[in-house]
Amino acid sequence: KNQVEQSPQSLIILEGKNCTLQCNYTVSPFSNLRWYKQDTGRGPVSLTIMTFSENTKSNGRYTATLDADTKQSSLHITASQLSDSASYICVVSGDTGFQKLVFGTGTRLLVSP
Amino acid sequence: KAGVTQTPRYLIKTRGQQVTLSCSPISGHRSVSWYQQTPGQGLQFLFEYFSETQRNKGNFPGRFSGRQFSNSRSEMNVSTLELGDSALYLCASSLWSSGRVGETQYFGPGTRLLVL
Repeated sequence: KNQVEQSPQSLIILEGKNCTLQCNYTVSPFSNLRWYKQDTGRGPVSLTIMTFSENTKSNGRYTATLDADTKQSSLHITASQLSDSASYICVVSGDTGFQKLVFGTGTRLLVSP
Repeated sequence: KAGVTQTPRYLIKTRGQQVTLSCSPISGHRSVSWYQQTPGQGLQFLFEYFSETQRNKGNFPGRFSGRQFSNSRSEMNVSTLELGDSALYLCASSLWSSGRVGETQYFGPGTRLLVL
């Protein structure tokens, strides 16, 4: 069964610290992996998208990695800010078609002052 | 350029009623998809419309339906509401249909539906 599992479910860190969120998937075939940020009361916003051949992609203080062999991805946040408090959702696409997207349930991050 | 807008933002209904949610995509976008988001299940795909035609459908009962108008605006209807339909309903628009690899979706803020 195609699944995306994220860990931890929730995380609290101090402002200025770094953190890493994990995403493991069993989706096959694999097309691409995307990380979304969802602020409370808002819709998800795409942070990065990676295909099979990419193993690192950065967007400002956000750096995503992908190991297609072990089917693992991580999202590293550097020098966290209060505005980073949000849910981070990992989404794997097994093929074309939005109905083929497999969503993780997200990691809820709270950055504390 | 204005983002995806959804109305209403909040809705309270009782079991057995029906509800219609509206979504206006980003100007120029022709694909609109709908998702249901619940704490335990995460986001689940409902359906996608492109050029007024339903292109894809998720595993939801027939009580969930939608349509798209010629201006790309879309509506989603849920009939005979059940308690389990309480969720955040997200609309997402994209320039092209989901047949293009890596097509980016832009999400609206969602409509939070509570069924009592």
